[in-house]
This record gives sequence, C-alpha cells and structure tokens, in this order.
Amino acid sequence: EVQLVESGGGLVQPGGSLRLSCADSGLTFGSHWMDWVRQAPGKGLEWVAHINGDGSVKNYVDSVRGRFAISRDNAKRSLFLQMDSLRAEDTAVYYCVRGDSGALLYWGQGTLVTVSS
Amino acid sequence: EIVMTQSPLSLPVTPGEPASISCRSSQSLLQSDGNNYLSWYLQKPGQSPQLLIYLGSNRASGVPDRFSSSGSGIEFTLKISRVEAEDVGVYYCMQGLRPPVTFGPGTKVDI
Repeated sequence: EVQLVESGGGLVQPGGSLRLSCADSGLTFGSHWMDWVRQAPGKGLEWVAHINGDGSVKNYVDSVRGRFAISRDNAKRSLFLQMDSLRAEDTAVYYCVRGDSGALLYWGQGTLVTVSS
Repeated sequence: EIVMTQSPLSLPVTPGEPASISCRSSQSLLQSDGNNYLSWYLQKPGQSPQLLIYLGSNRASGVPDRFSSSGSGIEFTLKISRVEAEDVGVYYCMQGLRPPVTFGPGTKVDI
C-alpha cells in the first residue's frame, strides 16, 4: 500500500514562509496527480493545490494563488508546497494526497502549520 | 467555482439501521466520458480522511459493500445499508471535475 509522509510543518509568524515536503513510498509516483488539502482546526476540508505527473500543470485555490507554490521531484518521489506570506487563516493540518480518476485516493497523516505571533 | 452542499449536516444513527446523506453540486458533474466526477470520503475521529466512493458510484478498494452511492449530474446520495459503530465520523462529498476542487461542508454521523 502507498504511504505518504508529510514533514516541514511548525509554528511561523505572519508574513513568514514554510516549505512542506511529502515522501511517497510508491513506485509509480511520477504517473499520478498529487494534491495538497488542508483542514483548519475544527473545520472541514479545503483543497489547496494540485500538480500533474510531469509537473507541467498546476492549479491553486484562489486564497493561496501567488503565495503558495506546488512542485515535485519524481526522481526522489517527493511533493512540495512552498508557502510564503503566511497568514493566520493558513493555520491548518496540511495533507499530502495522491489523486486518481478525479478522486483523492491515498492520504498522508498530515502536518500542522500554525501561523501566529 | 462549483459549490457543493450536503444534507443533513448532522445525522444521528442507530447500529443496524440504514442511513443516507445527500450531496448537491451547483453544476453538473457528468463529464463527456460518461463519468460523474463525484467522490465520497469518511474522516473518522482523529484520522485522515479516507476515500469511500469515486466516479460517482465505484467503491474504493477495501470499502465494505454496505456503502453505496447513486445519482448523476447534480444530485447524489451516499447510503449505508446497515450502520456499524465504526462508521461514525464526518462524511464529505467532493467534486473533481474542474479546479478548484471543492468539498461539501461535511455531515457528522454519530450514534
């Protein structure tokens, strides 16, 4: 079974930056769309961004466009999310997810990002 | 942006009894390939979400057959034929037809 392990979360001040990473244990990483989904404390799920297999297509939710950047390294089976100009409302657990057939098939355990002074 | 709504938002259930959750999208999720790009997820307490149903009506691997989904276009229904204690949690529907991917607000199911 595919395992996704996120890292890089933590406490950051408003206006600061963080880079999240996700390691994929699967051998077919480069064939799949990958997504980031977040969940603010006590709230529902919010899709953040996704990237296609070769990294040529990227889409973002409006609230992060221009501040966050999704990328991937297929040789290292890794997904990244560079988060700049962080705001308090970006505080959430961030999940790395593998997509397939328009659905989100495999989820990581999540990494907590807290934006606070 | 495609807006997803769910009802009810809270659903008390009784083990052994059936349960259903409705999901509606603001635009049709039926693609020209004949698939509805609608999926269902369950987030159990303290866990990451897990995929239950994809492409409108297909159960994900390992999902018990007491879970089923029906509907097409803008109206979908998730059904649990006989609720078990392990089914408690928050259920989300999601559209994967076009970005931004959007989720419903969630339905909290508890006993």
